[in-house]
Amino acid sequence: KAGVTQTPRYLIKTRGQQVTLSCSPISGHRSVSWYQQTPGQGLQFLFEYFSETQRNKGNFPGRFSGRQFSNSRSEMNVSTLELGDSALYLCASSLRGISGNSPLHFGNGTRLTVT
Amino acid sequence: DAKTTQPNSMESNEEEPVHLPCNHSTISGTDYIHWYRQLPSQGPEYVIHGLTSNVNNRMASLAIAEDRKSSTLILHRATLRDAAVYYCILVTGANNLFFGTGTRLTVIP
Repeated sequence: KAGVTQTPRYLIKTRGQQVTLSCSPISGHRSVSWYQQTPGQGLQFLFEYFSETQRNKGNFPGRFSGRQFSNSRSEMNVSTLELGDSALYLCASSLRGISGNSPLHFGNGTRLTVT
Repeated sequence: DAKTTQPNSMESNEEEPVHLPCNHSTISGTDYIHWYRQLPSQGPEYVIHGLTSNVNNRMASLAIAEDRKSSTLILHRATLRDAAVYYCILVTGANNLFFGTGTRLTVIP
């Protein structure tokens, strides 16, 4: 069974630009959630999508948004990039979602550098 | 907000048991306790989770205090492949997750 795939693995953007990250979940998983990991703040929850609907959102500004397609693939968008957005962005898929307490299967992340 | 606190680092000798503690004094009745670990250059990997009772699986055991304000992840025999950062996470009934800062486990051969 293929794991969670995130593309691209690395990305360099300039302040003020926008970026779109992609996540392909494990086949059959309807939940995709996104996380930001930085040395200073650690791992933080961004949002979760389940069957194309956003279920919950962490404490991030509206510049961070996402969507999920009918095939469960998900994209995350960050607009008007700031230096502080430099981070490893992780996505995870699961069968029943966060509320169902099914294990999260993480991808290896997209490392975003904002210059 | 739910919070978890973990020691920054711990060491263990290979083939010895390891007890990784986590404090979550503000836990609510419906919050689950999850543990994940992260190896370098990889995403986190699920280890175990529980609500009130102690839990066992092939990877580890989870001991949850009676008042649920703390828990301990137990690796019964540490191997070099267990060297990782271990995260204690609260999953709330409101579909939110709160990560601890993680404990970096070093396994000494």
